[in-house]
Amino acid sequence: DSGVTQTPKHLITATGQRVTLRCSPRSGDLSVYWYQQSLDQGLQFLIQYYNGEERAKGNILERFSAQQFPDLHSELNLSSLELGDSALYFCASSVTGTVNQPQHFGDGTRLSIL
Amino acid sequence: AQKVTQAQTEISVVEKEDVTLDCVYETRDTTYYLFWYKQPPSGELVFLIRRNSFDEQNEISGRYSWNFQKSTSSFNFTITASQVVDSAVYFCALSGSPGNTPLVFGKGTRLSVIA
Repeated sequence: DSGVTQTPKHLITATGQRVTLRCSPRSGDLSVYWYQQSLDQGLQFLIQYYNGEERAKGNILERFSAQQFPDLHSELNLSSLELGDSALYFCASSVTGTVNQPQHFGDGTRLSIL
Repeated sequence: AQKVTQAQTEISVVEKEDVTLDCVYETRDTTYYLFWYKQPPSGELVFLIRRNSFDEQNEISGRYSWNFQKSTSSFNFTITASQVVDSAVYFCALSGSPGNTPLVFGKGTRLSVIA
C-alpha cells in the first residue's frame, strides 16, 4: 500500500460527459502529480501541484483541469469526454516538489468512455 | 529532450531463470535521476529504486539488482531466480535536474514468468 488514495477505482461514462477524479496524497507529501496511461501513449505526465500551486504542466488537454486543495488532496476534472480519453489515470505524490524524490503512485482510476 | 527506451516489449522466462530488463536513456542534463517501477496485473505502480547520475555503484536488493552505466546511458535491471510473482510490466523512468522536470517513462517491458 503506497498510502496514496484514488477514487473512484472505476468510472464508466459516455462521450461528452464530465467526470472528476480524486486523489489523497501520502501523509506528509506536499506534491501531487497526475499521469495518464493508455495503450498507445504509455504513461504520460499531465500536471503537477505543490502545496496548492501548479508546478509543472505536461501533455494535458485544455478539456482537462486540476487543482490541489488546502488539505492537499487533488482533483482532476475531465470534460467533453471523447472515446480516446479512456485510460488509466494515476495520481502520485512526493514529499517535496522536486522530482529527485521518488513518486509514490495510487492504484489508479480506470476511465471507460462508451 | 529526455527519452527512455525499453527495447524489450515482452519477455517470457521459466521460473528460476535469471532475466535482465534493458533501459537506455537520453538526456542533456548533467544531474538526473533514474527510476524503476513495477506494475503487477492488479494495475498499481510500485516504486522499486532510484539512482542519481553521480552514483554508478550497482545495487542489489534480494533477488533484484541494477546496473547503471553512464558510458552507455543504460540502467538495466536483473531479476535472479525469477518467480511467478515477478510477472508484471516494468517501467524505467528518468527525471532531469532537481526542479520541476516530470518523470519520463519508457514504454515498459512485460515480463511473464512461467511455472
